[in-house]
Amino acid sequence: QKEVEQNSGPLSVPEGAIASLNCTYSDRVSQSFFWYRQYSGKSPELIMSIYSNGDKEDGRFTAQLNKASQYVSLLIRDSQPSDSATYLCAVKEDSSYKLIFGSGTRLLVRP
Amino acid sequence: GAGVSQSPRYKVAKRGQDVALRCDPISGHVSLFWYQQALGQGPEFLTYFQNEAQLDKSGLPSDRFFAERPEGSVSTLKIQRTQQEDSAVYLCASSLAALAEAFFGQGTRLTVV
Repeated sequence: QKEVEQNSGPLSVPEGAIASLNCTYSDRVSQSFFWYRQYSGKSPELIMSIYSNGDKEDGRFTAQLNKASQYVSLLIRDSQPSDSATYLCAVKEDSSYKLIFGSGTRLLVRP
Repeated sequence: GAGVSQSPRYKVAKRGQDVALRCDPISGHVSLFWYQQALGQGPEFLTYFQNEAQLDKSGLPSDRFFAERPEGSVSTLKIQRTQQEDSAVYLCASSLAALAEAFFGQGTRLTVV
């Protein structure tokens, strides 16, 4: 059974701080990794994808991947109250169309 | 349309009733997915279509669940004889190709009473 594990939270950070969200996965053949943001009652929205070891930056977001440790993280710099949402980690096997999601981490950014 | 459209947004069904959930993918998107999201959980894969062909239905939880996409565009997820454990948000997603980024609709929240 492929598993994607996330701490459910809530992770509470003050406005302007760095929020660090973590995800581990069990399947060594996983090749593609995604972070989705989901506001309450809304659809998941893709914010970052990462395919190779290392860091990938996009604005205030940085995704970090370590395949040897089967670990992927998302850093949000200068956190804003509007970043308060549930962040879903998802993985795909090579050449697969199926996304396997974790249960999500709820982030609360306090003004 | 601009995005993936699902209807109805909310559905309350009595136990044993049949329901049909509709998904209108982004125009031109070949791939269409259905996911089920229980409260407090991440979405779980149900089924995948490439055009009108249902290539994977391994995630459908029982034979009460049936999905179709007869003309390769709009898709319907049908649940027969609904049970309480079917209560969840049903998300539809579409993408230009199987491995491309998937865009999700707002979902249909099904409550079985």
